[in-house]
Amino acid sequence: GAVVSQHPSWVICKSGTSVKIECRSLDFQATTMFWYRQFPKQSLMLMATSNEGSKATYEQGVEKDKFLINHASLTLSTLTVTSAHPEDSSFYICSAPTDLTSGHYNEQFFGPGTRLTVL
Amino acid sequence: SQQGEEDPQALSIQEGENATMNCSYKTSINNLQWYRQNSGRGLVHLILIRSNEREKHSGRLRVTLDTSKKSSSLLITASRAADTASYFCAKDSSYKLTFGSGTRLLVRP
Repeated sequence: GAVVSQHPSWVICKSGTSVKIECRSLDFQATTMFWYRQFPKQSLMLMATSNEGSKATYEQGVEKDKFLINHASLTLSTLTVTSAHPEDSSFYICSAPTDLTSGHYNEQFFGPGTRLTVL
Repeated sequence: SQQGEEDPQALSIQEGENATMNCSYKTSINNLQWYRQNSGRGLVHLILIRSNEREKHSGRLRVTLDTSKKSSSLLITASRAADTASYFCAKDSSYKLTFGSGTRLLVRP
């Protein structure tokens, strides 16, 4: 099946620094990728939709300037958490659909996630 | 905010028993998907049921969809200790997935 990778798998940083997380589709092209955040024992919350060649679409309540998304190619999207603070500590997961049929996405493939800890 | 709610929030059963998880949603869907997540890991797609389907099987998994009640259920038969994980339903509409609150399943050996 399709594989999505994320790098790094975990990162610890000091408050005020910026952290970049990469999401790659390894064996397929993804014009769209999605970024989620998950707090402990909670569900996934969609943060933004990353679109190749255009600006990302952010969900309500997600700060665009804090969570910078760049979809540089058909296989790579990056999420940069700028000026990270302890409350940004979370599990960040990306996903990519492999098929766009009849106007809607089918199965999505998820990356293994990146655990961010801000001290 | 989350569109789907799941119940129960947690479920503990003995190996060999069946596990049933329910999911409700509020708005129309293209399809509904079920995912599994082991602790601290990414999500694994289990099964997708389209809005015009009522039931779908995959191995020990059985999913039903009732669009009139806006609800779905996931049944895992003959559970195994390895089925211990969190299970999420995800509503597919408007080109995005909206996840339910999840059910934490513990299968005791």
